[in-house]
Amino acid sequence: AQKVTQAQTEISVVEKEDVTLDCVYETRDTTYYLFWYKQPPSGELVFLIRRNSFDEQNEISGRYSWNFQKSTSSFNFTITASQVVDSAVYFCALSELDTGRRALTFGSGTRLQVQP
Amino acid sequence: DSGVTQTPKHLITATGQRVTLRCSPRSGDLSVYWYQQSLDQGLQFLIQYYNGEERAKGNILERFSAQQFPDLHSELNLSSLELGDSALYFCASSVADGSSYEQYFGPGTRLTVT
Repeated sequence: AQKVTQAQTEISVVEKEDVTLDCVYETRDTTYYLFWYKQPPSGELVFLIRRNSFDEQNEISGRYSWNFQKSTSSFNFTITASQVVDSAVYFCALSELDTGRRALTFGSGTRLQVQP
Repeated sequence: DSGVTQTPKHLITATGQRVTLRCSPRSGDLSVYWYQQSLDQGLQFLIQYYNGEERAKGNILERFSAQQFPDLHSELNLSSLELGDSALYFCASSVADGSSYEQYFGPGTRLTVT
C-alpha cells in the first residue's frame, strides 16, 4: 500500500540557516507523482511542487529546492537562507497513476519554526 | 488565494446534529476532492467527484456523504455528528481526473462538535 513518511515532526532553525525536510515514500506503482504542500499558521494548504516518477531532475525555485531520488524513494525539500515567513507545516504527498489512486496520500507533516 | 472557496469558515454544532459544508472549485476545474485533517489522523482523503460523478472513496464514514452539482460546486454532508468528527475539512479541485494534476485547496471549514 502507498505510504508517505516524514520522520521529522518538528524542526527549529534560526533565520538564514538552510534546512532540509525529509520525505520517504512507498508505492508499488511505476508511475506516480509526488507533491509538497505548505500549511502556514493561517491554515490553508498551498501547493509548492509536483514531480513525476520519471523525472529525477532536481528543481530549484528561488530559495526552495527539491531532491528526488528514486533509488532511495525520497523526495526531500530544502529551504536555503530560511526566513520567518517560512514557518509552517510542510506536507509531502503521493498520488499513483497505475492503480488510479488520484487522491493524495499525505505524510504526517513537518512543523518548521524559523526564529528571528 | 487558490481560487477554491469553502463555506462556512467555522461551524460549531452539537453531537447528533447534521451539517453541510460547501465547496466551489476553481473556474474550469472539474474534479473535487474532500479531505479531513484531524490531530490524530492527519490529512485523510474522504471522497472525489469528477464532473458530477463519484470517482473514488477514501476513509469516508457511512454517516458522511457528498455530491457534486451541475454547476460543479460540491457539498459534504455530515450527519449524526460525534465529538471525534471535529476537524478541519478541506476541499480541493483539479482541472481533470488524473493523479498527475496538482490539487488546489480551499481555506477549509473548521468543524467543532460539542
